[in-house]
Amino acid sequence: ETGVTQTPRHLVMGMTNKKSLKCEQHLGHNAMYWYKQSAKKPLELMFVYSLEERVENNSVPSRFSPECPNSSHLFLHLHTLQPEDSALYLCASSRTSGSSYEQYFGPGTRLTVT
Amino acid sequence: KQEVTQIPAALSVPEGENLVLNCSFTDSAIYNLQWFRQDPGKGLTSLLLIQSSQREQTSGRLNASLDKSSGRSTLYIAASQPGDSATYLCAVATNAGKSTFGDGTTLTVKP
Repeated sequence: ETGVTQTPRHLVMGMTNKKSLKCEQHLGHNAMYWYKQSAKKPLELMFVYSLEERVENNSVPSRFSPECPNSSHLFLHLHTLQPEDSALYLCASSRTSGSSYEQYFGPGTRLTVT
Repeated sequence: KQEVTQIPAALSVPEGENLVLNCSFTDSAIYNLQWFRQDPGKGLTSLLLIQSSQREQTSGRLNASLDKSSGRSTLYIAASQPGDSATYLCAVATNAGKSTFGDGTTLTVKP
């Protein structure tokens, strides 16, 4: 266990559905991240929150909407997704002090869009 | 824009061999470099983190080195075991909290 949990672990949704992914970290970190991992592609950074403010948005389509209500929780709200959005969605957290920024990852949510 | 390349893409070795995985990056102005392990369908497990001011880090049978000037890092695994079979990912942070990942090296250690 890395101290970062994600729910659900698996999700199947239709293109018209609305769902949310949840991430929670128990490490006392103050930065949280969403990554997308598609087959045969490197991990893609989607969003970064530092001290609950969004500091990075890597040209992600608006059908993905992140929310960070506090430093321990991160959500990814999904609506009107496309089949190409099927992937493993990984959450990570880190500190923002010092020069470490070592990232700890959750187990991921396997998303299938039908 | 930072680009990270990992060679080889796949590696198969017999149990007990020492092996080296390579990671190269194009922008030497890095914050840190982190090596991860990923088992199929699972999240990433942090193995070693090397800060920009460091040259290497060691943990058990793992040793990671960093040469910023040449844009390279290596992960050395001593006395490999079947349980080491996984995909190994290199991530380079060029500023606080923003990492670029390589495609990974898939390692198979045969009993």
